[in-house]
Amino acid sequence: DPKIIQKPKYLVAVTGSEKILICEQYLGHNAMYWYRQSAKKPLEFMFSYSYQKLMDNQTASSRFQPQSSKKNHLDLQITALKPDDSATYFCASSQDWGLAEQFFGPGTRLTVL
Amino acid sequence: AQKVIQVWSTTSRQEGEKLTLDCSYKTSQVLYHLFWYKHLLSGEMVLLIRQMPSTIAIERSGRYSVVFQKSRKSISLVISTLQPDDSGKYFCALWEPATGGNNKLTFGQGTVLSVIP
Repeated sequence: DPKIIQKPKYLVAVTGSEKILICEQYLGHNAMYWYRQSAKKPLEFMFSYSYQKLMDNQTASSRFQPQSSKKNHLDLQITALKPDDSATYFCASSQDWGLAEQFFGPGTRLTVL
Repeated sequence: AQKVIQVWSTTSRQEGEKLTLDCSYKTSQVLYHLFWYKHLLSGEMVLLIRQMPSTIAIERSGRYSVVFQKSRKSISLVISTLQPDDSGKYFCALWEPATGGNNKLTFGQGTVLSVIP
């Protein structure tokens, strides 16, 4: 059974719209993260959360807003979508914030037209 | 400047061959970790190997092993006896601690491996 679930797997959106990427982890971890991989770029860190609190934000734009309704959920809301937002978005988790070993979900591939 | 560098973006090998994927990194931290991940075609990102700078011995996991050269800030992933299922994208990643650094993984560009049966 998958331990980190990301939904949907593929997502197509139009410029200017808003989407929410879902992430749930069933590893019992206390820290969760978002990373993004754009075309021809390495995975880039976006956010880290610990016990539902924001620990680190490396995203310049306020259009990206994580939402944590439960400790094992960390969704990513993206507003006013742009074609440059097209990327695969990975959710990850670790037992606690500050631990190196992170486990990744399968990603959501977002295409903005 | 890139902190984690993987030289090859793509490579292909014959089944049964041995492959070494190189990765170099930059850090001023003392306590850092290095990882190799594999991104499967299914989308799953699998953790293959973890290397800490305090560990001298070569880390191994099945057919995967690493050659870690701390002074050169280099870590290579070695895959012995390649199989078609080894095809995928391999990422090298550097983790630096929160104190004095960012508690996050920094990834290299990744290398796409195709194993030819």
